[in-house]
Amino acid sequence: SQKIEQNSEALNIQEGKTATLTCNYTNYSPAYLQWYRQDPGRGPVFLLLIRENEKEKRKERLKVTFDTTLKQSLFHITASQPADSATYLCALDGGSGGYNKLIFGAGTRLAVHP
Amino acid sequence: KAGVTQTPRYLIKTRGQQVTLSCSPISGHRSVSWYQQTPGQGLQFLFEYFSETQRNKGNFPGRFSGRQFSNSRSEMNVSTLELGDSALYLCASTVTGAAGDTQYFGPGTRLTVL
Repeated sequence: SQKIEQNSEALNIQEGKTATLTCNYTNYSPAYLQWYRQDPGRGPVFLLLIRENEKEKRKERLKVTFDTTLKQSLFHITASQPADSATYLCALDGGSGGYNKLIFGAGTRLAVHP
Repeated sequence: KAGVTQTPRYLIKTRGQQVTLSCSPISGHRSVSWYQQTPGQGLQFLFEYFSETQRNKGNFPGRFSGRQFSNSRSEMNVSTLELGDSALYLCASTVTGAAGDTQYFGPGTRLTVL
């Protein structure tokens, strides 16, 4: 079955540095991959979507890469700020017929320290 | 546009009872997906509805059911509650655009089963 792995340990970085989060998947070839941000007690908020034929996508301070050979996506936040502290989730599409069914990783908690 | 709304936000029930949760998608969105989030299992897909039809279902027992109304509002029901059903229940409405399917999550309903 499909499996998604994200770093279970929290990532602690200093303000201004670049945070890099990893998402690995197995037994699957997704058509696209998404990244979400989740704050405590709230629902996930969509950040970026990258398709299987795209290598990289950027949005302001965010950058996502997608390597279908390595079955890995990297999520970068440049010039990080304490307000970026949250849990970041990667999600894969549920495949053909998987209408609006996302398969989520467990998430990585990011803490940005002043 | 108003976001996805879920009611109630918090709910306390006892084992054996049943519960109904409600979700109103963003205006114009016809797809509603439901997810269960727990610390141990993360976000797991329950089911998805489109135009009052269930199109996809996750691996949950039959105690979990849902429906969608003609105005796209959706409800999910859990019967014979168990302690393990304590979780954050999230619904998401989906819009399909040039960038792919983007899911917009509501704030969730926190269900506690005693």
